[in-house]
Amino acid sequence: DAKTTQPTSMDCAEGRAANLPCNHSTISGNEYVYWYRQIHSQGPQYIIHGLKNNETNEMASLIITEDRKSSTLILPHATLRDTAVYYCIVRVWDNFNKFYFGSGTKLNVKP
Amino acid sequence: EAQVTQNPRYLITVTGKKLTVTCSQNMNHEYMSWYRQDPGLGLRQIYYSMNVEVTDKGDVPEGYKVSRKEKRNFPLILESPSPNQTSLYFCASRQLTEQYFGPGTRLTVT
Repeated sequence: DAKTTQPTSMDCAEGRAANLPCNHSTISGNEYVYWYRQIHSQGPQYIIHGLKNNETNEMASLIITEDRKSSTLILPHATLRDTAVYYCIVRVWDNFNKFYFGSGTKLNVKP
Repeated sequence: EAQVTQNPRYLITVTGKKLTVTCSQNMNHEYMSWYRQDPGLGLRQIYYSMNVEVTDKGDVPEGYKVSRKEKRNFPLILESPSPNQTSLYFCASRQLTEQYFGPGTRLTVT
């Protein structure tokens, strides 16, 4: 699975959009981009995933660049409860093997 | 409600005393795995299982055993715990897309 690079931390004002970048320049054609988050010491929570096209669900939007070398997770209206560590993961769709989380981005949503 | 449960949630034990952390899922998922999380090291995969009786090592399997005799259960066994296994442990299950994580087990080995 390709490695990812994320900023260590980011701040966002409550009510504003949070844009979390992820670099995955070595991604291959059959690898998907997944996002998870972990609030304090709870179990990580799945947010969204995508291959090429932009994706949106009730939690967030995922924007993948045309060359697929980077992506951005967007939380449209961040709340204090969105304060968490956000992990960007790249892996093959049906790869049931190792799952590498990396160090993630700590998002601090401030009032 | 779809969920992954772990027991116990908190455990303090002594070096060398065998222990088992149970994990159960009610979603009929084939794939389950165990992770440990340590400050500065993030989440690291210990073992995973692709189905009943099929298990394989993750990144940090030393000192751990697992078994998968039933689809819903995937216990983590520490035959002789040591202080360096003090950590926060998560069990997870998934089918193809999202992984569902349990609430975590905080283990302290003295």
